[in-house]
Amino acid sequence: SQQGEEDPQALSIQEGENATMNCSYKTSINNLQWYRQNSGRGLVHLILIRSNEREKHSGRLRVTLDTSKKSSSLLITASRAADTASYFCATDPRRGKLTFGTGTRLTIIP
Amino acid sequence: SAVISQKPSRDICQRGTSLTIQCQVDSQVTMMFWYRQQPGQSLTLIATANQGSEATYESGFVIDKFPISRPNLTFSTLTVSNMSPEDSSIYLCSVGTSGNTGELFFGEGSRLTVL
Repeated sequence: SQQGEEDPQALSIQEGENATMNCSYKTSINNLQWYRQNSGRGLVHLILIRSNEREKHSGRLRVTLDTSKKSSSLLITASRAADTASYFCATDPRRGKLTFGTGTRLTIIP
Repeated sequence: SAVISQKPSRDICQRGTSLTIQCQVDSQVTMMFWYRQQPGQSLTLIATANQGSEATYESGFVIDKFPISRPNLTFSTLTVSNMSPEDSSIYLCSVGTSGNTGELFFGEGSRLTVL
């Protein structure tokens, strides 16, 4: 079963705008991770935030985590066409085994 | 990090046949997993491939349908047996490296279409 639900399911924005995706999960976690998948290929790890962290940055990515609400958000600033992909949050209710959310399909319009 | 090679990258299979997917890692890894991604869906964990012992399957997945081998710390295979069109999916090998905090590295996936 899915641990995480993401919204929106699909998002289209103009190049240069910011994109925000949200993830909600159900059980306690050790950490929450975000992955990107291009066109049904393998997933690429983007960023990991630990359960005792509230915000983390990596380049144009900003992730927040609210454990009281069991939710996280991924912000991509100054979007580029190459950011077009599906984005998944993943949690680890069991050590080493990630459970993935439903995903957000992001389309950047040039 | 780890570099993962999966073969085949894609295949078209006939109903009732079986196909074995190979996953080769460029370094020894402690954790290796097989995921399935049905069309337009998220990833679902099939099983954990255990080196030298039987794989640990998730609910809804059984060894007879998805036999897995892991003879060493760098290689694993997943077989999809007696395929039906419902098995059309991307199958992904992923690994976790020792000492990391939980992130996984993924192969490019094997896209199977069952006719």
